[in-house]
Amino acid sequence: AQSVTQPDIHITVSEGASLELRCNYSYGATPYLFWYVQSPGQGLQLLLKYFSGDTLVQGIKGFEAEFKRSQSSFNLRKPSVHWSDAAEYFCAVGSFGNEKLTFGTGTRLTIIP
Amino acid sequence: DADVTQTPRNRITKTGKRIMLECSQTKGHDRMYWYRQDPGLGLRLIYYSFDVKDINKGEISDGYSVSRQAQAKFSLSLESAIPNQTALYFCATSDRLAGQGEETQYFGPGTRLLVL
Repeated sequence: AQSVTQPDIHITVSEGASLELRCNYSYGATPYLFWYVQSPGQGLQLLLKYFSGDTLVQGIKGFEAEFKRSQSSFNLRKPSVHWSDAAEYFCAVGSFGNEKLTFGTGTRLTIIP
Repeated sequence: DADVTQTPRNRITKTGKRIMLECSQTKGHDRMYWYRQDPGLGLRLIYYSFDVKDINKGEISDGYSVSRQAQAKFSLSLESAIPNQTALYFCATSDRLAGQGEETQYFGPGTRLLVL
């Protein structure tokens, strides 16, 4: 069974600082990996996704993520956060032939001035 | 995503009542999903449907039922609501690139349900 771990429940960073949110997955085959963001009172918006190819993927809002098979990780990064990035972030894993996504428990990001 | 709409956005009901949450999409996707979100638990899959005639249970389907009235509509029902069904419910649709297996899910804005 596939699983996703987001080890950080809550992260606080200063505006303008860099950000890295961790995601580790467990799956025997090649995973499809996703990051979604949920702003307060909003639905989930897709930030970026990885299916194959280049292991560094670019997303919207200046986010990027790197797939590292050897570490079973797909960490999300942003070089300089903005106050509007305050939200909850979810990592998810899927796979070919398995249409169901498995979500992590989320990381809540707080931005301080 | 404005292409996936959910009604109502908020609902308060009482234990034992039957309620229906509705989802509509204009993306033209065949696949639709219902999830619930609880604090600290992430999203969990309730039901999913690959087309109008294909409906499948997810990991937490007990106490729920669904109806796929058309390609664009997928409804979730709570036959007899109970307080532990208080949660945020999301509908999603997905596009699966033919022959490639790659699939991205797009979510509606959610319905916040409170069962008293």
